[in-house]
Amino acid sequence: GAGVSQSPRYKVAKRGQDVALRCDPISGHVSLFWYQQALGQGPEFLTYFQNEAQLDKSGLPSDRFFAERPEGSVSTLKIQRTQQEDSAVYLCAAGGTGGTEAFFGQGTRLTVV
Amino acid sequence: GENVEQHPSTLSVQEGDSAVIKCTYSDSASNYFPWYKQELGKRPQLIIDIRSNVGEKKDQRIAVTLNKTAKHFSLHITETQPEDSAVYFCAASITGGGNKLTFGTGTQLKVEL
Repeated sequence: GAGVSQSPRYKVAKRGQDVALRCDPISGHVSLFWYQQALGQGPEFLTYFQNEAQLDKSGLPSDRFFAERPEGSVSTLKIQRTQQEDSAVYLCAAGGTGGTEAFFGQGTRLTVV
Repeated sequence: GENVEQHPSTLSVQEGDSAVIKCTYSDSASNYFPWYKQELGKRPQLIIDIRSNVGEKKDQRIAVTLNKTAKHFSLHITETQPEDSAVYFCAASITGGGNKLTFGTGTQLKVEL
């Protein structure tokens, strides 16, 4: 594939609304990461998949956040009952294990109003 | 868990001068240290990385140094150009398994003409 593709690029949600963010990673990369980047901050780890297995979800801030990768390729990050503090850019990265480069997608900018 | 501190938060240099950004990490088990460049509204892109078995690495105008004893690493950009203006993030991780990246808070570099 040409790279890591994320959609939508921008999402405005009303407080309390559920949202789903999609990541379509580089073909063949078994590892996939989700990060949250607040304005003016560095990305912060949310969760990690190896193929379809979610091996680390220690960074998910609450049980409103849920991620899946059912077939080991496309991944979806779902946020239920969105709150204003969820406003951030959500970045997906493929690769990055074993000291190799992590390829980031363009991100989805979520604004909760 | 790992904690990465980055300084300075902003850096302004004249074109042609050198720029240095410093990071410290807390977890002595960390052994992979990438640097990412992020232009406004774009994805983070890897510019250089270093592993703990190496003290210094250079790629054209960019170099990274690592001091494992002191747990700090630095990015050096020589002969800066306006296109070097961006936010730079350092990161640290432990290779093996799901090596999530822990990022610093970023340095806004501005190269002035």
